[in-house]
Amino acid sequence: GDSVTQMEGPVTLSEEAFLTINCTYTATGYPSLFWYVQYPGEGLQLLLKATKADDKGSNKGFEATYRKETTSFHLEKGSVQVSDSAVYFCALIDFYSGGGADGLTFGKGTHLIIQP
Amino acid sequence: DVKVTQSSRYLVKRTGEKVFLECVQDMDHENMFWYRQDPGLGLRLIYFSYDVKMKEKGDIPEGYSVSREKKERFSLILESASTNQTSMYLCASSLGAMNTEAFFGQGTRLTVV
Repeated sequence: GDSVTQMEGPVTLSEEAFLTINCTYTATGYPSLFWYVQYPGEGLQLLLKATKADDKGSNKGFEATYRKETTSFHLEKGSVQVSDSAVYFCALIDFYSGGGADGLTFGKGTHLIIQP
Repeated sequence: DVKVTQSSRYLVKRTGEKVFLECVQDMDHENMFWYRQDPGLGLRLIYFSYDVKMKEKGDIPEGYSVSREKKERFSLILESASTNQTSMYLCASSLGAMNTEAFFGQGTRLTVV
């Protein structure tokens, strides 16, 4: 079956540091890849997505590139802020060759803490 | 903006009770999902639905059922609540099979005592 593996943390960084959160996946079809973010006390929000190999998703200074050859979708940001403190989830949705799909498959989440 | 509304933020129920968690979306989305979120386990799919009166089992359907009588509403039912169902429950919706962005509600923190 499909699966997503990401570093679990917590990851603690100082403000303005460079961020990388690793994510790798296994899928049997043609997956689209996502990063969701969950701020304290809130539901999940889509941060960025990529729907095919070599696509780069970007939003709010975050980026991730869909690497089919390494089955990876690592999240990066050049300079983090205290307001980026949250839980980040890597996820995929796998499309079958006939066009159907199941729900999103999530990683376990990475708790990011940014210190001033 | 798409809004997904879960009826309760916090619930406390007794073991053996029948529990209903309600979710409503206001953007005419075809797909709706129920997940539970647990520390160290991430989000796990319980059930999903692609259309009215249609449901599919996710990864952990045991002990749960769902109902979708109207397009905008997707209910999760715990037939006989148990303490191991204490969790955060998240509802989500998305437009259709090829439009894959899912929108989430704020979650219901259920405690079974």
